[in-house]
Amino acid sequence: NAGVMQNPRHLVRRRGQEARLRCSPMKGHSHVYWYRQLPEEGLKFMVYLQKENIIDESGMPKERFSAEFPKEGPSILRIQQVVRGDSAAYFCASSPRGFSTSSYEQYFGPGTRLTVT
Amino acid sequence: GENVEQHPSTLSVQEGDSAVIKCTYSDSASNYFPWYKQELGKRPQLIIDIRSNVGEKKDQRIAVTLNKTAKHFSLHITETQPEDSAVYFCASNTGKLIFGQGTTLQVKP
Repeated sequence: NAGVMQNPRHLVRRRGQEARLRCSPMKGHSHVYWYRQLPEEGLKFMVYLQKENIIDESGMPKERFSAEFPKEGPSILRIQQVVRGDSAAYFCASSPRGFSTSSYEQYFGPGTRLTVT
Repeated sequence: GENVEQHPSTLSVQEGDSAVIKCTYSDSASNYFPWYKQELGKRPQLIIDIRSNVGEKKDQRIAVTLNKTAKHFSLHITETQPEDSAVYFCASNTGKLIFGQGTTLQVKP
């Protein structure tokens, strides 16, 4: 059973460009979460998605950031017009169940390290 | 919103000693408390978790305790080894994981 997959692993963008980060959850997992980790800091929740639905985007900046998890294909975190402050590691995690059911485990992907120059 | 405080921020122990990391949370609705280990440049790895209907859970050298009344939970690592050196994060679940600030554990050989 393959783990959570993320690509690219490293992404360099110039200020003003767009960044697209992809996440494929573990097989059988339909819940996807995105977290951001700034250098030498903890993990901050950004968004929680199920297939074709955004469940909680309370941690997502209001502008320039968007996320989707289509019926087919990976979840995508999109950052438009990147700025230097967007440089961070972006991790996605997946789980087989959501909060409304019994407690669940989240398993993390290897992360995408975004560098904005 | 939910807040998780984690202490200490750094911890240095001698190989073979025990290490204890403590967390407090604010949302009484939290029902699941995982601990993650993150090595430099790598993904967070789930090492142990505890649910709100349990007070203690043990897995070999690691154990976690939960005091729901006080909203405290702790990670205990016994017989530490150099490969235990990493950053450890606690988290609480309120529909999403809210993480503590992390503890950098250094185990000296």
